[in-house]
Parts: sequence; structure tokens; C-alpha cells
Amino acid sequence: DAKTTQPNSMESNEEEPVHLPCNHSTISGTDYIHWYRQLPSQGPEYVIHGLTSNVNNRMASLAIAEDRKSSTLILHRATLRDAAVYYCILIDDKIIFGKGTRLHILP
Amino acid sequence: DAGVTQSPTHLIKTRGQQVTLRCSPKSGHDTVSWYQQALGQGPQFIFQYYEEEERQRGNFPDRFSGHQYPNYSSELNVNALLLGDSALYLCASSLRGCHPSNQPQHFGDGTRLSIL
Repeated sequence: DAKTTQPNSMESNEEEPVHLPCNHSTISGTDYIHWYRQLPSQGPEYVIHGLTSNVNNRMASLAIAEDRKSSTLILHRATLRDAAVYYCILIDDKIIFGKGTRLHILP
Repeated sequence: DAGVTQSPTHLIKTRGQQVTLRCSPKSGHDTVSWYQQALGQGPQFIFQYYEEEERQRGNFPDRFSGHQYPNYSSELNVNALLLGDSALYLCASSLRGCHPSNQPQHFGDGTRLSIL
């Protein structure tokens, strides 16, 4: 019972920005929004997380809607190495992954 | 600074056997979580250990058990293996802190378990 909804797959061109959406309409006030990505044959890699405010780090930006029912992971300039499955998850007590979004980067 | 390390990387067992998987957390981390990832699926939470006790548990039967040692390393044990237990088993570590849900999890690359 994933608490988030993401598109199954997305495509983007190399060197262009990518916006990965996530819906979490049942989010509670104490749920943090986390994003991870998983490359083939590797464990998931932490990307970014936030609670209410937009967040930036060296990998990406996280835009959180004012009502917190949705968020968007932004990769500012996609490279071929960004091709992966991206998971948006809510963390309060238990951690529940959905199926994520498979991001394809076109050269 | 070593990240999360898991051993072995691959393992083959037969139905009915028992298996133990091991995990060393990232330096400075005190909390270890285990996940099962079937092919093409997202990771499924098994349980989490903190201060040598199981703190949270997902929807897995009692055949799945674990342990955490004083040095924070952890083991996942699975008894009476079934064909359906074939999966990638991932370990993640984090620092519990005041707000555990505000802490990123760092994952190892997993143990690929195949049941024949």
C-alpha cells in the first residue's frame, strides 16, 4: 500500500531539465517526503528530502506544493548517468516504497 | 569512509534451508533497516533495528528474524526458505537522531538470494 503515486516511466533529453512528479494526497503533518534513485544492480541512493519548504542540494531540487499533497523532483540538467528508477516515499514510522518512475535519458 | 557493506553479494540456497545475511552500517549510523526487493518491484520494508531491538516491522512472517549487535552491525535470518524468497535483500543504515524520519537512509548494494 504505497502512499505515493508516480508515473511508471518518463523520458527526457540529455542536458535538459527533468521534472518528476509525485502525488501523496494522504500525507500527514509529520511525514517527510524523501526521494531515492536506483541504478541497475545497485541499492537505492538518497537524493533529497524535505518537510514543507523547497529544498536544494548538489544533486537536485525538491519542490513541495503548499498543501503538501504533491511534490516534484527537479534534475536541472539531465545526464545519461541520471537514468534510473526514482522513488518518492513518505517517512513517518514505516517506510513504504512504491514502484517508482523509470527515467530514460535520450542522448 | 566506508558506506554500508553487505555480505555475501550472492547466495544460492534450496527450499527449506536457512540463511543469514550480514550488514555493516555506515560509520556513525546507529539504525539498520532491511528490505526485500523482488525483480521489477520497489523495496519492501522487512524490519528496523535500533539499540539492538526490533523497532518497526513490515508485513513479513516470523520466518524472517534479525539481530543487531553492540557495534550496530546487523543480521537478517530467514528460516524454511521458499521459492518466493528469491530476491535482492537490501540493508540501509541511518542516524536515528531526534526525528528519525528526517534522516536519510544509506543503502548497501544488497545480497542476491536465489532459492532452487
